Amino acid sequence: KAGVTQTPRYLIKTRGQQVTLSCSPISGHRSVSWYQQTPGQGLQFLFEYFSETQRNKGNFPGRFSGRQFSNSRSEMNVSTLELGDSALYLCASSFSEDGELFFGEGSRLTVL
Amino acid sequence: AQSVAQPEDQVNVAEGNPLTVKCTYSVSGNPYLFWYVQYPNRGLQFLLKYITGDNLVKGSYGFEAEFNKSQTSFHLKKPSALVSDSALYFCAVRDGGSYIPTFGRGTSLIVHP
Repeated sequence: KAGVTQTPRYLIKTRGQQVTLSCSPISGHRSVSWYQQTPGQGLQFLFEYFSETQRNKGNFPGRFSGRQFSNSRSEMNVSTLELGDSALYLCASSFSEDGELFFGEGSRLTVL
Repeated sequence: AQSVAQPEDQVNVAEGNPLTVKCTYSVSGNPYLFWYVQYPNRGLQFLLKYITGDNLVKGSYGFEAEFNKSQTSFHLKKPSALVSDSALYFCAVRDGGSYIPTFGRGTSLIVHP
């Protein structure tokens, strides 16, 4: 069974640009969550999607957005990038509400 | 509200010795508790979870954790550490009413040969 796939793995952007990250969950998993990981803040929850609907949202500005498609694949977008957006962005999927999260390898974003 | 604390930023242990990585939590209802491990430049991998039942939970790679309700703790343990266990370990908690776990800040485990 294929794991959670995130693309791209690495990317470099400049301030003011925007970026789109993609996540393909494990087949059959309908919940997809996004996290931002930085050395200073640890793992911060961004948002969670279930059946194409945003079910939960963390405390991030509106520059951070996401969506989920009918095949459960998800994308997140960050507009007007700031230096502080440099981080590892992790996507995770889960099968059930009691279940553990399955994480992708992450997309490492560097903003210059 | 839910929160989790990992009081140690780093734990050092010699190979072959037992290891413990500490985690305490706070939730308003019954806790759902998880441990994950992260190797450099990788995503998190699930180790074990406690939802209900036996307080001692066994997981992957020989790890286990003990749920202690009175002390609100869920410490990760392994009887004999390996150098390959060196990684970043995260404890996570959520209560029954939330879909989203809260993660601790992580504990770096270093196992010396």
